[in-house]
Amino acid sequence: DAGVIQSPRHEVTEMGQEVTLRCKPISGHDYLFWYRQTMMRGLELLIYFNNNVPIDDSGMPEDRFSAKMPNASFSTLKIQPSEPRDSAVYFCASSFPLLAGPGNEQFFGPGTRLTVL
Amino acid sequence: KQEVTQIPAALSVPEGENLVLNCSFTDSAIYNLQWFRQDPGKGLTSLLLIQSSQREQTSGRLNASLDKSSGRSTLYIAASQPGDSATYLCAVSGNTPLVFGKGTRLSVIA
Repeated sequence: DAGVIQSPRHEVTEMGQEVTLRCKPISGHDYLFWYRQTMMRGLELLIYFNNNVPIDDSGMPEDRFSAKMPNASFSTLKIQPSEPRDSAVYFCASSFPLLAGPGNEQFFGPGTRLTVL
Repeated sequence: KQEVTQIPAALSVPEGENLVLNCSFTDSAIYNLQWFRQDPGKGLTSLLLIQSSQREQTSGRLNASLDKSSGRSTLYIAASQPGDSATYLCAVSGNTPLVFGKGTRLSVIA
């Protein structure tokens, strides 16, 4: 398997523009997680899905952020409108249900580095 | 709410030294603990995963231990090399997803 795939790897946009980040989890993994990493706050969980259903979105910072998982092999994280403080690296991760629940070993994608000017 | 702390925040050692990175967590009701490595500008690579029922895991020059009752884990790196320079992150999970520490930035000087 190619691992978790994210695109784009880098995104530079202007304030106010819509940004869409994409993730393909590892086949067979039924949990998918979106994280944001900044120097100040470290790695923060934004939202996670189980079997394509959003389970906990309490980490999504504002209504400007939304995430979808239309099928088991694809998820998007959208920011509309984007702001400079959204600049960060966004990671997607997936896990296999060896144990019930979201606490299994996670495998991370390479991340998308977002810069909002 | 689970909190994970890693000490020290940064560490610089000469090549060949053995070293220990520390991780502590506030809620001992965990499923597992993962140690990750992150190179600058890169994603996270899983190094070791310790299930809550285990005491330690080893992979090559790396050994991770877990003391759940005291809320502590250590990552031991033997005979450090310049290629070990990276940020090392500890993360724990319970019936909730991973909670990460801020990491220890390791520099191994040749």
